[in-house]
Amino acid sequence: QVQLQQWGAGLLKPSETLSLTCAVYGGSFSNYYWSWIRQPPGKGLEWIGEINHSGSTNYNPSLKSRVTISVDTSKNQFSLKLSSVTAADTAVYYCARGVYCSGGSCYQTFVPFFAYWGQGTLVTVSS
Amino acid sequence: QSVLTQPPSASGTPGQRVTISCSGSSSNIGSNTVNWYQQLPGTAPKLLIYNYNQRPSGVPDRFSGSKSGTSASLAISGLQSEDEADYYCATWDDSLNGWVFGGGTKLTVL
Repeated sequence: QVQLQQWGAGLLKPSETLSLTCAVYGGSFSNYYWSWIRQPPGKGLEWIGEINHSGSTNYNPSLKSRVTISVDTSKNQFSLKLSSVTAADTAVYYCARGVYCSGGSCYQTFVPFFAYWGQGTLVTVSS
Repeated sequence: QSVLTQPPSASGTPGQRVTISCSGSSSNIGSNTVNWYQQLPGTAPKLLIYNYNQRPSGVPDRFSGSKSGTSASLAISGLQSEDEADYYCATWDDSLNGWVFGGGTKLTVL
């Protein structure tokens, strides 16, 4: 069974850098993109970005200038850094397994994207 | 503003059938598959429907999905109290080169 376990600092001051890590247990790590998604209190889901095992990334254009997602294939882990945080970045942050890829192509249909999620980490930005 | 448009709320009485819509465009729903997620308070979203109308194992057949053009819909029949939750649609957007979510629909079972 696939499990995602995430951790990181939960309280930040404005202008600091948010840092979270997600470890993947079970299943294939190399055949998927791995995403970060956030949810401000009382609001909807917002995709932040994704990475695959070779380090290829895609980012939400609205956050791209402040986001860095990295991967450590030796530990089946991937990480999120979000710089210069403000109160607007206060949210529950989730890691999730994304789209299945094989042989250079990615497939959205027969293996569902975002089928597995981490437990979520509440990150609060406050002075 | 979300790229995908969902009604903010929906409601029904036990046993009823309710439908939640998700409206997009040719660059997202019109050309990519749609998944639906159920989120209970204080928990991570759970995959409910994938590839428009496929149900993962364990999801009751009361839940079904469909797509028409640039819109998708989630239908819940035989509504039960435990269905009270937030529901989100999601898909890939070719123009944004990223995943997009609907704004979410809060379902209330009256």
